[in-house]
Amino acid sequence: QLQQWGAGLLKPSETLSLTCAVFGGSFSDHSWSWIRQSPGKGLEWIGEITFAGKTKYNPSLNDRVTLSIDTSKGQFSLSLASLTAADTAVYYCASVWDCGGDCYEHWGQGTPVSVS
Amino acid sequence: DIQMTQSPSSLSASIGDKVTITCRASRDISSYLSWYHQRPGTAPRLLIYAASSLQSGVPSRFSGDKSGAQFTLIIRGLQADDFGTYFCQHSDNDRVFGPGTRVDI
Repeated sequence: QLQQWGAGLLKPSETLSLTCAVFGGSFSDHSWSWIRQSPGKGLEWIGEITFAGKTKYNPSLNDRVTLSIDTSKGQFSLSLASLTAADTAVYYCASVWDCGGDCYEHWGQGTPVSVS
Repeated sequence: DIQMTQSPSSLSASIGDKVTITCRASRDISSYLSWYHQRPGTAPRLLIYAASSLQSGVPSRFSGDKSGAQFTLIIRGLQADDFGTYFCQHSDNDRVFGPGTRVDI
């Protein structure tokens, strides 16, 4: 189970910070991702972090996004800087499952984020 | 950048119907294709991976197929729980999702 939290109402130029906690399962056996969903752009992969802290980012967000992981707490976090209205979306954390590629097996409940 | 397209964008169906949704990638993606189902207000749920493999716990009325560059999700015997939006996703490097197909009654 994934439980996520963070501020949902932000102003342009501010930084979004979200955290996702993992309950149950094996935190060390998975990589972890953030995905967002907006009416205009649909579902968009933001990035991924391994248990060892190795990251991959969506090139369209690469210069603004940072993922981090706290293995002692079983948590991982998203930071998205220089927000604009285009970043308004529901943000999800998800576990990455090796299905041959990357599949998203378990999801957080979603955090609506509004930038205005 | 790879583009994923889906058709139709929406459809209306009845309980018990057979529903077919297609997805195409702008380039060859082998079988790196997953399908998700999303009900309003909830997170997507993985249904099919590697184009045709059924995720554990997903009912057998769901199936996936690949023919050339076209991927197909088939629901045989639509149930009330199946309404919502279906997304395909390129599950390799690009991790791009399709725009979705809304299925309603």
